Amino acid sequence: DQQVKQNSPSLSVQEGRISILNCDYTNSMFDYFLWYKKYPAEGPTFLISISSIKDKNEDGRFTVFLNKSAKHLSLHIVPSQPGDSAVYFCAASVGGSQGNLIFGKGTKLSVKP
Amino acid sequence: DSGVTQTPKHLITATGQRVTLRCSPRSGDLSVYWYQQSLDQGLQFLIQYYNGEERAKGNILERFSAQQFPDLHSELNLSSLELGDSALYFCASSRGGAIYGYTFGSGTRLTVV
Repeated sequence: DQQVKQNSPSLSVQEGRISILNCDYTNSMFDYFLWYKKYPAEGPTFLISISSIKDKNEDGRFTVFLNKSAKHLSLHIVPSQPGDSAVYFCAASVGGSQGNLIFGKGTKLSVKP
Repeated sequence: DSGVTQTPKHLITATGQRVTLRCSPRSGDLSVYWYQQSLDQGLQFLIQYYNGEERAKGNILERFSAQQFPDLHSELNLSSLELGDSALYFCASSRGGAIYGYTFGSGTRLTVV
């Protein structure tokens, strides 16, 4: 049973436009959410995170929104750049500092010039 | 360079064999995590060690085992290998848990033939 779901395997966006990547979760005990970016032949790298006590966190071009009632979070990238083309993983944790990360299957983002 | 070193980068072996994957965590990180990424799958959590002790277990098969040594490096042992064990195996390290972020290595690609 997948606790973290990324239902879109891929997304294609034009350079300069907004990219919206979605993630749904089933475990209401998750209290921390993170997004990772992965380029081919590299390990995932941390992008941005949000605690369950917040509904928005922003870092430069990246904003994560959390809707706890819907058990849904999204990552917005504005404006999208070709270098953002990568696989994006949503991850969630129970237990904050002690919990392990449960990852979704990832969404491959392609940003076209 | 993320600071997490995984060796070897590639490994090809036959069914029924046994292999050992090695991970050196980032300096100062006490936690080591192992993840498996199979085709079309997300990152599946296998096992976590903290300062030499097993902290949590995920979907790790009985044919797989791991340990963390006093110098904090970790090894993942995979035995009686099957074709389905072919995957990318990632090691990650952190200072604590999820909220501190994980730093991933670039992975070991295991191919079982």
